[in-house]
Amino acid sequence: SAVISQKPSRDICQRGTSLTIQCQVDSQVTMMFWYRQQPGQSLTLIATANQGSEATYESGFVIDKFPISRPNLTFSTLTVSNMSPEDSSIYLCSVTSGRGGFFGPGTRLTVL
Amino acid sequence: QKEVEQDPGPLSVPEGAIVSLNCTYSNSAFQYFMWYRQYSRKGPELLMYTYSSGNKEDGRFTAQVDKSSKYISLFIRDSQPSDSATYLCAISRSQGAQKLVFGQGTRLTINP
Repeated sequence: SAVISQKPSRDICQRGTSLTIQCQVDSQVTMMFWYRQQPGQSLTLIATANQGSEATYESGFVIDKFPISRPNLTFSTLTVSNMSPEDSSIYLCSVTSGRGGFFGPGTRLTVL
Repeated sequence: QKEVEQDPGPLSVPEGAIVSLNCTYSNSAFQYFMWYRQYSRKGPELLMYTYSSGNKEDGRFTAQVDKSSKYISLFIRDSQPSDSATYLCAISRSQGAQKLVFGQGTRLTINP
């Protein structure tokens, strides 16, 4: 299984600001996935990040709000832009293999 | 219609009981099935990964898949208080680097 780390683990931000979340994987992977888990809810895929190409966003998520970088095969960042209280969630980075999907510990974001 | 449905519970059982958790899905294109355990303020942890109809056992956990009914289950034998967590089912269309679709999660409490 992959070992995934995320930074920061949590943050409290003011509305209108932006936060960049980092995800580091201990092995090279083709795709990295970013999920959002709103309070008391399940996981929803935000976008798929491929190295060397634009991220692919799911319905309801746009690049201007959630820009993603994927500079190499072990690292990705997700930025939550122009934040509002509705963006308060856990943001999770994930990779998949032939044996399932593996998740980082998550970044708990609170927007005031 | 959601692609995967899971009763959110909550479910509360006494220690030692057998727990049954279930999900249904709507599209037969989904061929790979996972169960995750998520403790409070943690990322999801992969418990079981299956792709065939039938049973797969790992210690006290048994995953069951019925593709004809589009129904998946997770059984926990000899439940322990440490099993108290939210359990999420997840499905994907293919093996390898693929996005996952999650159920709503069932919050389980095992009472000593």
